Amino acid sequence: EAQVTQNPRYLITVTGKKLTVTCSQNMNHEYMSWYRQDPGLGLRQIYYSMNVEVTDKGDVPEGYKVSRKEKRNFPLILESPSPNQTSLYFCASSSLGTLKSPLHFGNGTRLTVT
Amino acid sequence: SQQGEEDPQALSIQEGENATMNCSYKTSINNLQWYRQNSGRGLVHLILIRSNEREKHSGRLRVTLDTSKKSSSLLITASRAADTASYFCATAHSGNTPLVFGKGTRLSVIA
Repeated sequence: EAQVTQNPRYLITVTGKKLTVTCSQNMNHEYMSWYRQDPGLGLRQIYYSMNVEVTDKGDVPEGYKVSRKEKRNFPLILESPSPNQTSLYFCASSSLGTLKSPLHFGNGTRLTVT
Repeated sequence: SQQGEEDPQALSIQEGENATMNCSYKTSINNLQWYRQNSGRGLVHLILIRSNEREKHSGRLRVTLDTSKKSSSLLITASRAADTASYFCATAHSGNTPLVFGKGTRLSVIA
């Protein structure tokens, strides 16, 4: 089944403790992206990647890192999480970039930073 | 900001009624997409309409696009309780700029 898989689904952590949220897609998509969703603010893009070893900042990249060493994986790294990074995070992918193809979303990771 | 704006923010209707949601945007687009999100879950793509198209249908969904007014509407006919969700429009602009999502319309269909 074609899908985008995020792990973990829920994560509670403390300020400053490094964490990684994994994202993997099995559709051989070039484009992958991370979003965060907050009440009243909608979906905001954190980082995106057009292909392996190519990443770019989105609208809200501060406090986040990403890497794209393999086509299928696009992990989101929070080196030193802070409470304002408490949010619902989504990974998404598409085959030909966002101009042509719809995005396929993972089921989300709900992160709480205390 | 290029961000689309959905209207209304929230909509509550009876099962069987039609639901109309609107999306406005500020700069020219390559295409516009509508997505649905069930509570706390990932978004699911519904329909894509290109800038040279005016109307598109998919099952009970009808999307229109008016590029002169920079607006789109999503009509769900004969709504069902299972249509209860948030609906987002997303606009694709020139070059390799990423999709820009609006803040969504929260639809409640009451049985």
